[in-house]
Amino acid sequence: SQKIEQNSEALNIQEGKTATLTCNYTNYSPAYLQWYRQDPGRGPVFLLLIRENEKEKRKERLKVTFDTTLKQSLFHITASQPADSATYLCAPRVNSGYSTLTFGKGTMLLVSP
Amino acid sequence: NAGVTQTPKFQVLKTGQSMTLQCAQDMNHEYMSWYRQDPGMGLRLIHYSVGAGITDQGEVPNGYNVSRSTTEDFPLRLLSAAPSQTSVYFCASSYDRTGNQPQHFGDGTRLSIL
Repeated sequence: SQKIEQNSEALNIQEGKTATLTCNYTNYSPAYLQWYRQDPGRGPVFLLLIRENEKEKRKERLKVTFDTTLKQSLFHITASQPADSATYLCAPRVNSGYSTLTFGKGTMLLVSP
Repeated sequence: NAGVTQTPKFQVLKTGQSMTLQCAQDMNHEYMSWYRQDPGMGLRLIHYSVGAGITDQGEVPNGYNVSRSTTEDFPLRLLSAAPSQTSVYFCASSYDRTGNQPQHFGDGTRLSIL
């Protein structure tokens, strides 16, 4: 069955370091993959979209890579700040009958001053 | 620019009661969807709509009904609430369902069934 895996354990890093979050998927080949940020008590907010023919996408301090051979996407936040603390969700586009995006369970990032 | 608006923000129901969760968007998006988010389960798709008058089931549709009479509104109805439906419900909208466009989420309705 199709599966999306994100680290369930929180990632703790110090301010100024680069945070790297992982999204692995199995048993399908998504044409698109999106990343979202979710703060406690709020809905997810779109950050970046990467297409299968793109290796890398950047937006300010954010960078996403998409390796269709490894079936993996990496999400990087450079020069991290305490305000980056949140849960980050990856969402590959699933080629199923009913769904567009299927969301991973998310990884919590905690940036300490 | 309101985006996606969900009401109410919080609700407590007794088992067997019915209620409607409201969702409205002002971006003229064709695609709208309802998710539930439970601890350790992530976001699961309940129902979706690709335009006014068209709805379909997602991954976990049992116990829920939807309708889409206008582009703007996509209410979710619980017919007979059960404790297993205690969850946080999110409505989302997008330009289309291809996955090539961002989804815009509301801030959720936190529902407790006693």
